[in-house]
Amino acid sequence: DQQVKQNSPSLSVQEGRISILNCDYTNSMFDYFLWYKKYPAEGPTFLISISSIKDKNEDGRFTVFLNKSAKHLSLHIVPSQPGDSAVYFCAASGYGGATNKLIFGTGTLLAVQP
Amino acid sequence: GAGVSQTPSNKVTEKGKYVELRCDPISGHTALYWYRQSLGQGPEFLIYFQGTGAADDSGLPNDRFFAVRPEGSVSTLKIQRTERGDSAVYLCASKEPNTEAFFGQGTRLTVV
Repeated sequence: DQQVKQNSPSLSVQEGRISILNCDYTNSMFDYFLWYKKYPAEGPTFLISISSIKDKNEDGRFTVFLNKSAKHLSLHIVPSQPGDSAVYFCAASGYGGATNKLIFGTGTLLAVQP
Repeated sequence: GAGVSQTPSNKVTEKGKYVELRCDPISGHTALYWYRQSLGQGPEFLIYFQGTGAADDSGLPNDRFFAVRPEGSVSTLKIQRTERGDSAVYLCASKEPNTEAFFGQGTRLTVV
């Protein structure tokens, strides 16, 4: 049972335009959400996060939106740059445990075309 | 070191053999995690250490998998009687309280 879902395996965007990556989750006990970026042959790198008490968090070109009622979050990148081309993973944690282990989605491959 | 270091970066082993994968976390990080990423999937949680103890090993797939962290720093993931289905990238991450997890580059394990 996939608790965190990224239904778009890939996304192609023109440089300078907005990239929108989507993520859905099923467990209402998740209280913290993160986006990681991964280049080939490297480990995932933290990008941005959001707590369930917020509905938006912004960091430079990156904004994450959380819709708790819909159990949906999205990552907006604007303007998109060729260096943003990577696999983006959505992850969730929480449900009261002390582990803080992350539950990852399957990832979306973003290709930013020059 | 500056980041999480994992060795080896690649490991090819024969079915049935024993392997050890090593993780050097960021100095001072008390929490350490092992994840496994299979092709086309996101990382899947295996085990979590807080200090020397395995606080949550609920993600280990079976008793062929074992991990230790005897001094609360370096951790070793051990896989006995490897099977072809164990082929994956094994990722290690470390963190401090109230910070994000930092991942190593992973060990790509191939069982032939």
